[in-house]
Amino acid sequence: AQRVTQPEKLLSVFKGAPVELKCNYSYSGSPELFWYVQYSRQRLQLLLRHISRESIKGFTADLNKGETSFHLKKPFAQEEDSAMYYCALRYTSGSRLTFGEGTQLTVNP
Amino acid sequence: EAGVAQSPRYKIIEKRQSVAFWCNPISGHATLYWYQQILGQGPKLLIQFQNNGVVDDSQLPKDRFSAERLKGVDSTLKIQPAKLEDSAVYLCASSLAAGGETQYFGPGTRLLVL
Repeated sequence: AQRVTQPEKLLSVFKGAPVELKCNYSYSGSPELFWYVQYSRQRLQLLLRHISRESIKGFTADLNKGETSFHLKKPFAQEEDSAMYYCALRYTSGSRLTFGEGTQLTVNP
Repeated sequence: EAGVAQSPRYKIIEKRQSVAFWCNPISGHATLYWYQQILGQGPKLLIQFQNNGVVDDSQLPKDRFSAERLKGVDSTLKIQPAKLEDSAVYLCASSLAAGGETQYFGPGTRLLVL
């Protein structure tokens, strides 16, 4: 069964510091991985997806199949990055998304 | 464009009562999802519709939960009877197609069962 693990429930960094939110998954095939974000009092929204290999708001994430990881990184954190971040996986287009438990990121001034 | 709409935003009921949630997806979106998010956890898919047909309801507790999507647009999710453990936020999302990579989420309905 597919499973997503975000080992850190809480992560706190200072403004300007690098940040890495960890995501590990268990699935034997070739999954599709996503990062969703929920800012305070806003809706859950897609941040980025691995197949696009894009950088959104300075965040990037690389799929490492050998380590079954999809960590989210940003070289210089900003206060507006403070939010709840969820890693999600699906094993094929159209199948259900499985979410991790989320990491609450706080960027301190 | 207007986003996914949900109502009510909050609901408090006693156990064994019934409750219903409503969702209006983004216009033109064929796929609709209902998620349950218990405090401290990530969203868990309850049911996925493609137009008005069910694609995946494997995680829906069918003895008490039901959902329908008449005419392939709006959807309702019902719990009857509610249990304490049903206290959660119920999220509705929609996407353009089943393979749509972007799911657009509504604001959620926060349910408290006493």
